[in-house]
Amino acid sequence: KAGVTQTPRYLIKTRGQQVTLSCSPISGHRSVSWYQQTPGQGLQFLFEYFSETQRNKGNFPGRFSGRQFSNSRSEMNVSTLELGDSALYLCASSLNERIHGYTFGSGTRLTVV
Amino acid sequence: AQSVAQPEDQVNVAEGNPLTVKCTYSVSGNPYLFWYVQYPNRGLQFLLKYITGDNLVKGSYGFEAEFNKSQTSFHLKKPSALVSDSALYFCAVRDGQGGKLIFGQGTELSVKP
Repeated sequence: KAGVTQTPRYLIKTRGQQVTLSCSPISGHRSVSWYQQTPGQGLQFLFEYFSETQRNKGNFPGRFSGRQFSNSRSEMNVSTLELGDSALYLCASSLNERIHGYTFGSGTRLTVV
Repeated sequence: AQSVAQPEDQVNVAEGNPLTVKCTYSVSGNPYLFWYVQYPNRGLQFLLKYITGDNLVKGSYGFEAEFNKSQTSFHLKKPSALVSDSALYFCAVRDGQGGKLIFGQGTELSVKP
């Protein structure tokens, strides 16, 4: 059974550019969440999607956005990149978060220069 | 608001000795608690969860955790540590009805031969 797949694994972008990260959840999982991990702030929740609808949103500026497709695959987009956006971005999926745990992908390491 | 705290930034243990990684939580309502482990440049791996039921939860790789409602704690334990257990450990609580997890700051576990 394939796990949560995040692409690309590594990305280098320049300040002011935009970036799109992709997450393919485990087959059958409809809940997809995104997290940002940095040494200073730790793991912070970005947003969660369920059946193509944003169900929860963290405290990030509007430059961070996401969406979910009908096949449950999700993308997150960051516009007008800043140096502080350099982080490991993690995606997690769950079959039923009330019963099961969340399975995380290996993440996308974004470096903004 | 829901929160978790991991009071130790680092825990050092000799191989073969028991290990404990501490976590305390603050929630309104019933807590949904999780432990995850992260190896360098990797995503988070699920170890165990507490949703309801027995206070002693058994998880992956020989880990277990004890839920203590009166002390609002959910400490991670293992009877005999392995060098390969050296990693970063995160305690988390589910916030609200959806897929949002709130993480502690993480505890670096170092197991020496």
